[in-house]
Amino acid sequence: SQKIEQNSEALNIQEGKTATLTCNYTNYSPAYLQWYRQDPGRGPVFLLLIRENEKEKRKERLKVTFDTTLKQSLFHITASQPADSATYLCALPPSGNTGKLIFGQGTTLQVKP
Amino acid sequence: DGGITQSPKYLFRKEGQNVTLSCEQNLNHDAMYWYRQDPGQGLRLIYYSQIVNDFQKGDIAEGYSVSREKKESFPLTVTSAQKNPTAFYLCASSIYAHTGELFFGEGSRLTVL
Repeated sequence: SQKIEQNSEALNIQEGKTATLTCNYTNYSPAYLQWYRQDPGRGPVFLLLIRENEKEKRKERLKVTFDTTLKQSLFHITASQPADSATYLCALPPSGNTGKLIFGQGTTLQVKP
Repeated sequence: DGGITQSPKYLFRKEGQNVTLSCEQNLNHDAMYWYRQDPGQGLRLIYYSQIVNDFQKGDIAEGYSVSREKKESFPLTVTSAQKNPTAFYLCASSIYAHTGELFFGEGSRLTVL
């Protein structure tokens, strides 16, 4: 069955540095991948969607890559700020690319001033 | 402003009681979803509805029930049959079922005493 893995350990970085979060998946080839941000006690907010034929996608200080050979997506936040501190979730469609999204457990980012 | 409203934000329940969580959306989305989130775990799908008067079980439907009598509303009832109901519950919607981004509500935290 499909499996999504995000680093369960929190990522602590200094303000101004680039944060890089990883989402690995196994056993299938999703047509797209999504990233969400979740603040404590709140619902996730959609950030970016990247399709399998797109190697890279950018939105302001965010950059997402999608390597279908490595079965991995990297999520980068450049010039990170304390306000970027949150949990970031990746989500993929299931095998066959139809049906409900499957979410990773999320990685918590802490940006220190 | 368009969005999804969940209520109540916090809810306490005694064992053996049913409780209903409200979810209303004014985004004119066809599809609505209920997820459960536990610490350190990804979002798990409880039920989803692709259209009014229709709904499908997700991965962890046991002990839960839903209805979709109106496009805007998708209430979730946590019944006494749910063995471990204490959790953070998230309602979401999308334009069509299982495509594109999900829009989430702010969540409801249920604690069983």
